[in-house]
Amino acid sequence: DAGVIQSPRHEVTEMGQEVTLRCKPISGHNSLFWYRQTMMRGLELLIYFNNNVPIDDSGMPEDRFSAKMPNASFSTLKIQPSEPRDSAVYFCASSADRWRPQHFGDGTRLSIL
Amino acid sequence: TQLLEQSPQFLSIQEGENLTVYCNSSSVFSSLQWYRQEPGEGPVLLVTVVTGGEVKKLKRLTFQFGDARKDSSLHITAAQTGDTGLYLCAGAETSGSRLTFGEGTQLTVNP
Repeated sequence: DAGVIQSPRHEVTEMGQEVTLRCKPISGHNSLFWYRQTMMRGLELLIYFNNNVPIDDSGMPEDRFSAKMPNASFSTLKIQPSEPRDSAVYFCASSADRWRPQHFGDGTRLSIL
Repeated sequence: TQLLEQSPQFLSIQEGENLTVYCNSSSVFSSLQWYRQEPGEGPVLLVTVVTGGEVKKLKRLTFQFGDARKDSSLHITAAQTGDTGLYLCAGAETSGSRLTFGEGTQLTVNP
């Protein structure tokens, strides 16, 4: 029974580069969430989708961040251009519907040098 | 945005001791979830409480939702080293599915 799958697990890149994080939600789940976790700010919701449609992107820090969900089994979070302050662990989570508990992936640890 | 405050932020105890973690807000939530997160992994759901005053038990863990659905507590009896981890509470807003997470309580249980 596969859970939420995120890739890559680790990413180290230089500032100014484009970064793309990927997520495969649990099959059958129709809600998908992107979070960012840092020591200073804890776990923050960036954006969530319901039935592949972005519902709330008020947590997206700025225009450098964008997220897409082209189909029910795949989502991306893109940062362009990346900055050192974007360094964090990024989590993807999915749920069966918007009121059900969320299942998290193991995260992508992003380091921007 | 509804805010959740967790306390304490850090807790280090000896195996066998009891502990309580608190999650407080001035806002009402439709439900509240508790997660545990271990290093290098994502948070894993422990329990969801929905009804004001509700108490749920999961082995040595007891979760309570406040009568007014604004606060919650997690009590661990006879802590074990395997209980070590980051405990997060998360409130579901009454308007939808957005979860607001607390800052977390880092628990360390020493042998």
